[in-house]
Amino acid sequence: NAGVTQTPKFHILKTGQSMTLQCAQDMNHGYLSWYRQDPGMGLRRIHYSVAAGITDKGEVPDGYNVSRSNTEDFPLRLESAAPSQTSVYFCASSYSFPGELFFGEGSRLTVL
Amino acid sequence: RKEVEQDPGPFNVPEGATVAFNCTYSNSASQSFFWYRQDCRKEPKLLMSVYSSGNEDGRFTAQLNRASQYISLLIRDSKLSDSATYLCVVLIKAAGNKLTFGGGTRVLVKP
Repeated sequence: NAGVTQTPKFHILKTGQSMTLQCAQDMNHGYLSWYRQDPGMGLRRIHYSVAAGITDKGEVPDGYNVSRSNTEDFPLRLESAAPSQTSVYFCASSYSFPGELFFGEGSRLTVL
Repeated sequence: RKEVEQDPGPFNVPEGATVAFNCTYSNSASQSFFWYRQDCRKEPKLLMSVYSSGNEDGRFTAQLNRASQYISLLIRDSKLSDSATYLCVVLIKAAGNKLTFGGGTRVLVKP
């Protein structure tokens, strides 16, 4: 019973490079979201999805894109990484939002 | 002013002691409240929801004070395993189910 799986756990990339953070859940949850966590700040939602084919912007969406082609997967793409995107990223799911959020283990991203 | 504010701590607590801390929120339209626990370099996990009448789960007690716009968490008989960061979370349904996280309060329980 994996829950929410994120890959990679750690990554370093250079300014201007692109990359995709992967998120997969096996709990048949409808709601999926991406958050970033920075020191001294609360978790901030980047994008979210309530069902396959439906995505929406959270509070800090600039510089990020998402897609939801099926129930399980919700990748987060950084098209042109910037140092301000250095952060810990969490994918979170919920059976029915707003409800209990189940988080992945996080992806630590450093942009040089 | 931040929408949800927490004292970052750390609160250094002797094992077996009681510790309590608050979380203040600025939006009076806030409807639901939660405490999440986050261990060092781990993901947050739901600790408990906070109900209007207050609620208790074992050694943990959560209270809501709508008049003063804060919630509190009290931990009795602290264990070493209670060392973690406690995140306050506020839901505003009128704002499209906006969920706002506080920055967290760090608790260190020492022998």
